Amino acid sequence: DTEVTQTPKHLVMGMTNKKSLKCEQHMGHRAMYWYKQKAKKPPELMFVYSYEKLSINESVPSRFSPECPNSSLLNLHLHALQPEDSALYLCASSYPGPRTEAFFGQGTRLTVV
Amino acid sequence: AQSVAQPEDQVNVAEGNPLTVKCTYSVSGNPYLFWYVQYPNRGLQFLLKYITGDNLVKGSYGFEAEFNKSQTSFHLKKPSALVSDSALYFCAVSSGTYKYIFGTGTRLKVLA
Repeated sequence: DTEVTQTPKHLVMGMTNKKSLKCEQHMGHRAMYWYKQKAKKPPELMFVYSYEKLSINESVPSRFSPECPNSSLLNLHLHALQPEDSALYLCASSYPGPRTEAFFGQGTRLTVV
Repeated sequence: AQSVAQPEDQVNVAEGNPLTVKCTYSVSGNPYLFWYVQYPNRGLQFLLKYITGDNLVKGSYGFEAEFNKSQTSFHLKKPSALVSDSALYFCAVSSGTYKYIFGTGTRLKVLA
């Protein structure tokens, strides 16, 4: 299984809503990532979990809250988002180390209204 | 600081012709370089990587890339382009553990 599965594929939420994005992988990867991607731009790193611990937070606003319940699952909790947060949110996973490639999910297209 | 540059926003090529998507890098230390492809409304798919060794790296879907240390380049190539290769291509460099620095992307259009 070489897949990273993200749910939902599409999400529309109001600025007062609370929602969660989910990500799952069964490749035994111990690093998991959240990226944000705007149209026609490269992905921007948000968070990295390594061995279920938060390793990197790229100064992301607190309205985004990551969670790693176990080595296969990664969540991103969303609360009080702004319209400018509308984007494609990508989950990825990899083995630890700078020589390894990341495997990406197909993303969640988020629209904040 | 590590960085990659993709000098072309878009590359057009006729089907059946060879294609090249350019990438140059700037790193301190050994470069670990990657190419990814992204189809519309999809995640990034890994194509190939250069870690060490042979300068010509072969990857998925008939793609290959040539690592050139003197020119600090890592260009993506394919001998014969297909219409289905039309997509957005990202070059990336590994910046320490867990960080990938992506280029700005190159849109490849293969014309039938």
